[in-house]
Amino acid sequence: QSALTQPRSVSGSPGQSVNISCTGTSSDVGAYNFVSWYQHHPGKAPKLMIYDVTKRPSGVPDRFSGSKSGNTASLTISGLQTEDEAHYYCCSYAGSNTWVFGGGTKLTVL
Amino acid sequence: EVHLLESGGGLVQPGGSLRLSCAASGFTFSSYVMSWVRQAPGKGLEWVSSISGSGSHTYYADSVQGRFTISRDDSKNTLYLQMNSLRVEDTAVYYCAKAPAAMTTFDYWGQGTLVTVSS
Repeated sequence: QSALTQPRSVSGSPGQSVNISCTGTSSDVGAYNFVSWYQHHPGKAPKLMIYDVTKRPSGVPDRFSGSKSGNTASLTISGLQTEDEAHYYCCSYAGSNTWVFGGGTKLTVL
Repeated sequence: EVHLLESGGGLVQPGGSLRLSCAASGFTFSSYVMSWVRQAPGKGLEWVSSISGSGSHTYYADSVQGRFTISRDDSKNTLYLQMNSLRVEDTAVYYCAKAPAAMTTFDYWGQGTLVTVSS
């Protein structure tokens, strides 16, 4: 399984919007609507932000949204806040009870 | 509140073995699929292994197949990962993660335990 492709870093100013892409293949992202996004602050437990491409767990602000087109999924964060600065990882179901993650994107809030 | 606490990490020589544990609380442990996910230094997350709620089905990444064994003790609410024939490239922080009922994601994670494979 090859890792999903994410930009290494993105940045934005408070109040702006940023988009993080996650590119896979027709065997993972393109095949299933089981894409998740996780927020990870170093030394802490990763936190689920989006699942099943577009769904938000309870407690996650609606500033976070997800989408998918073909083999590429995206996480959009609007109204950036300083506490959003973290690493973000995408993940997709890849069939046969296996999962594949992205390499991670470091979000910097300027 | 769901809580997952990993333990058992440490320094081990190449070819050695280590067993990780993950103590779970705050949910009916036996009802949920549990997994291990790792992160090598400076790298992204990598799914390692998953086990069904009954423990009867296990799944592994190709990179650990035949060397790692996932198991669970529902009486102790604990998940395990037995790691044998360890390689330098197995060096990583190992996280345990819970799946929701729909099993389409990982909804809760622990803070991880560091495994270092080095001579």
